[in-house]
Amino acid sequence: NAGVTQTPKFQVLKTGQSMTLQCAQDMNHEYMSWYRQDPGMGLRLIHYSVGAGITDQGEVPNGYNVSRSTTEDFPLRLLSAAPSQTSVYFCASSRFGEKLFFGSGTQLSVL
Amino acid sequence: DQQVKQNSPSLSVQEGRISILNCDYTNSMFDYFLWYKKYPAEGPTFLISISSIKDKNEDGRFTVFLNKSAKHLSLHIVPSQPGDSAVYFCAVQGGSEKLVFGKGTKLTVNP
Repeated sequence: NAGVTQTPKFQVLKTGQSMTLQCAQDMNHEYMSWYRQDPGMGLRLIHYSVGAGITDQGEVPNGYNVSRSTTEDFPLRLLSAAPSQTSVYFCASSRFGEKLFFGSGTQLSVL
Repeated sequence: DQQVKQNSPSLSVQEGRISILNCDYTNSMFDYFLWYKKYPAEGPTFLISISSIKDKNEDGRFTVFLNKSAKHLSLHIVPSQPGDSAVYFCAVQGGSEKLVFGKGTKLTVNP
């Protein structure tokens, strides 16, 4: 049972480059979300989705874009990477009203 | 402004003793409270939760206490074990699927 799968695990970008962090879940969860974890800042919500075709902004959405074309996938796009986006990114999913399951994270460095 | 505060960045206890992790929240509309545990290089995993209609929930060595009037919850681990060494995040939820996390407390259990 794969759960929540994130790729890649590590990524180094140059300032201004764009990239997509992939997230897939095989639990048929309606709710999916992206968090970033920074030292001393905890987990901050970037974007979330309550179902295919529906997305909304979280606490720190600037510089990121998402889409939800299927129930399973919820990619996070960095439009023009900046050093401030150096962080560890976690994707999570759940059924409504139940606990969140997290992926193992993507460590991103922007030089 | 922080909606969820974990004021102790770190906590160190001896094996076999009790660990108490604390969390304060600001919004009385929050109605579901959770603790997540995170090991290095892994995603957070759900530990225990409590709804606003209860003041205590127990699961083995882990007990969560909720004091709604003080907007305070705590996680008790007894007895503490070295394998409990991790970062513990408090999270709150109210009216939507979004979880708001605290900054985390790093627990170290010394053998």
